[in-house]
Amino acid sequence: EAQVTQNPRYLITVTGKKLTVTCSQNMNHEYMSWYRQDPGLGLRQIYYSMNVEVTDKGDVPEGYKVSRKEKRNFPLILESPSPNQTSLYFCASSPMTGREGGYTFGSGTRLTVV
Amino acid sequence: DAKTTQPTSMDCAEGRAANLPCNHSTISGNEYVYWYRQIHSQGPQYIIHGLKNNETNEMASLIITEDRKSSTLILPHATLRDTAVYYCIVRVPLYVTSGSRLTFGEGTQLTVNP
Repeated sequence: EAQVTQNPRYLITVTGKKLTVTCSQNMNHEYMSWYRQDPGLGLRQIYYSMNVEVTDKGDVPEGYKVSRKEKRNFPLILESPSPNQTSLYFCASSPMTGREGGYTFGSGTRLTVV
Repeated sequence: DAKTTQPTSMDCAEGRAANLPCNHSTISGNEYVYWYRQIHSQGPQYIIHGLKNNETNEMASLIITEDRKSSTLILPHATLRDTAVYYCIVRVPLYVTSGSRLTFGEGTQLTVNP
């Protein structure tokens, strides 16, 4: 089944403790992206990647890092999480060539930083 | 990307057609209209997209006016499971410009009633 898999689904952590949220897709998509969703603010893009070793900032990149060493994986790294990073996070992927059918999103990661 | 305007909420009776409008009066010639939906805190789901011709797939139909300044998403026989927030997004496809961003607005909360 074609899908984007995020792990973990739920995570509670403490301020300052480094964490990584993994994202993997099995559709050979070039484009991958991370979003966060907060009440009243909608979905906002954090980082995106157009291919291996090519990443760029989205609208709210502060406090986050990403890497794209393999085409299928696009982990989101929080080096020193803070409570304002408590949010619902989504990873998405899309082809960049041919007739684009739309983004495929993961099921989400609900992160709480205390 | 062009700005879109959608009603905040709509109701529909189960089994009837749900018609969700979207205004995008500043759309440019190479921008497509995309529709996504999000069922309570799940990852957004791609529904359909089009440029100027009407489109239909197994989920929905998309009607775009001749001047392309507005569109309507039609769910022909709404079910309770179609209750979700529906997002209308106008953008240039990734294969045209890699900098194109998927920007979500507030969307329309569709409630399907039994």
